[in-house]
Amino acid sequence: SAVISQKPSRDICQRGTSLTIQCQVDSQVTMMFWYRQQPGQSLTLIATANQGSEATYESGFVIDKFPISRPNLTFSTLTVSNMSPEDSSIYLCSVVYRGGPYEQYFGPGTRLTVT
Amino acid sequence: GQNIDQPTEMTATEGAIVQINCTYQTSGFNGLFWYQQHAGEAPTFLSYNVLDGLEEKGRFSSFLSRSKGYSYLLLKELQMKDSASYLCAVRDSGDTGRRALTFGSGTRLQVQP
Repeated sequence: SAVISQKPSRDICQRGTSLTIQCQVDSQVTMMFWYRQQPGQSLTLIATANQGSEATYESGFVIDKFPISRPNLTFSTLTVSNMSPEDSSIYLCSVVYRGGPYEQYFGPGTRLTVT
Repeated sequence: GQNIDQPTEMTATEGAIVQINCTYQTSGFNGLFWYQQHAGEAPTFLSYNVLDGLEEKGRFSSFLSRSKGYSYLLLKELQMKDSASYLCAVRDSGDTGRRALTFGSGTRLQVQP
């Protein structure tokens, strides 16, 4: 299975600031996704991170609020911009491996609290 | 779009068998996934079905009927550590380039002694 790491694992941030979350995978993956899980809720897809091009955002999520980069096949970042308390959530990176079965794995998540 | 339904909560006894159902209505389909998620942790992959039938992995089995839009996760010989949320998720067909998962709301399973 995958070895997926995320940094930071948790953070407490002030309203109006921004936080960048990093996702690093141990080998090349075909697809990388960013999900959000709000307290007591299931997972919601934010966007698909595309290598070398702009991410594909889901309805309700925009690039200005959640800019995403994916410079290569093993690394991606998600920035949560101009944060408000409503952004308090767990943010999860998820991957599908290149050349493998189409199983999808999740990173350990970043727990964000906005005060 | 995708619509995925599963029971909110279930309770079962240690050593017993429990079946968690999931029904879905989707515009495209390219596989159904089950994940286990303990409180405060990330989801852990359990199973993936893309063809009809039963997939067995130790104490866990997953079934899929594409014509009925139906799946279930079967947990045998329940252990206390199986107390967790179980998430059903459907992968889009990818016809529009989107191959992401859409999740149900999850079923919280409580295993009692």
